[in-house]
Amino acid sequence: EVQLVESGGGLVQPGGSLRLSCAPSGFTVSNTYMSWVRQAPGKGLEWVSVIYSGGNTYYADSVKGRFTISRDNSKNTLYLQMNSLRAEDTAVYFCARVRDGYNFRYFDYWGQGTLVTVSS
Amino acid sequence: DIQMTQSPSSLSASVGDRVTITCRASQTIGSYLNWYQQRPGKAPKLLIYAASSLQSGVPSRFSGSGSGSDFTLTISSLQPEDFATYYCQQTYFTPLAFGQGTKVEIK
Repeated sequence: EVQLVESGGGLVQPGGSLRLSCAPSGFTVSNTYMSWVRQAPGKGLEWVSVIYSGGNTYYADSVKGRFTISRDNSKNTLYLQMNSLRAEDTAVYFCARVRDGYNFRYFDYWGQGTLVTVSS
Repeated sequence: DIQMTQSPSSLSASVGDRVTITCRASQTIGSYLNWYQQRPGKAPKLLIYAASSLQSGVPSRFSGSGSGSDFTLTISSLQPEDFATYYCQQTYFTPLAFGQGTKVEIK
């Protein structure tokens, strides 16, 4: 059974850093596209970042230069390193598995989310 | 960047009603369009991928159509568990944008 479990959220001051983790079961991150999506309180979904199986990474403009997506194949874990955090980064962060093929790309499994609160 | 616009932003409907939600992309995205359902406090759930393919385990009352830049999600007969927020998402180009969501409420 495929499951995704996020961790690492919490309260951090503006300008601070936090690293989120996403540990899947039922598949390996090394050969899978993976993504982060966030949702601010009471707001819609916002795509944050994706890492392709070949290692290419892409980011939303709102986090480019501050956030870094990575994976540790030996630990089968996906990460999101978040630096220079701002109040507007406050959100629940979800990791998701991305399925990719001819004429399709979709997020089929999602974690339960981890809350990041940026506040002094 | 590709912008995704859903309409309506919210709607009220009764159990048994047919519901249609539309999603428009600011440029052509082929069939790289997905639909998700999100209930309060829960993670999104994939309903439809590649514009019209039903995800395994999703009831057949959900269907998707469209290609290019105009897409539709239809619920043929609304059930109590369908009251939720629905999002479209384009995955043609990064950034992989979501629509703003459509909240389906009980009339």
